[in-house]
Amino acid sequence: EAQVTQNPRYLITVTGKKLTVTCSQNMNHEYMSWYRQDPGLGLRQIYYSMNVEVTDKGDVPEGYKVSRKEKRNFPLILESPSPNQTSLYFCATRRGAANSYEQYFGPGTRLTVT
Amino acid sequence: DQQVKQNSPSLSVQEGRISILNCDYTNSMFDYFLWYKKYPAEGPTFLISISSIKDKNEDGRFTVFLNKSAKHLSLHIVPSQPGDSAVYFCAVLGYGGSQGNLIFGKGTKLSVKP
Repeated sequence: EAQVTQNPRYLITVTGKKLTVTCSQNMNHEYMSWYRQDPGLGLRQIYYSMNVEVTDKGDVPEGYKVSRKEKRNFPLILESPSPNQTSLYFCATRRGAANSYEQYFGPGTRLTVT
Repeated sequence: DQQVKQNSPSLSVQEGRISILNCDYTNSMFDYFLWYKKYPAEGPTFLISISSIKDKNEDGRFTVFLNKSAKHLSLHIVPSQPGDSAVYFCAVLGYGGSQGNLIFGKGTKLSVKP
């Protein structure tokens, strides 16, 4: 079954404590991306990756890092979380940026930073 | 500045009637458009898309219309069912610096009343 998995699904943490949200896909997709969803702001892209070892900033990259060491995984790293990073985070994948535009989203990670 | 605008945050429709969700975009170079549906506690799922070479695409109860001169697209759901109650996001395939990335609107929450 084609899947995009995220872990954890829910996380409450404190300001400044480093955390990682994992994203894994089993579809052999080249393109992966992270979004955050906030009330009244819709889905905003944080970072994206066209392929292994290729990452680039989206619209709201400040305070986040990513890595793409292997095709199936695309972790989102918050080195020093702050309360304004409290949000609902989604990982998404698709076959390749140039030839397929339908994105598959993970179930989401709800993060609260106190 | 918003490149994709969904000006109605919410819409309420009676079961069996037509639901019309609207989306406006700013850049005439955008050439591929998608609609996603999102239920609470789930990731967005792809619903339907349209290329700029068409003005209509139909899939069962869902039809997307594209008016390039007005830079406007709409999603029609006929007949509406209670299970269609969800948040609907319009998205466009980015151009130039955002090439290959999807740019999302803020979403419209559809409520279909029995």
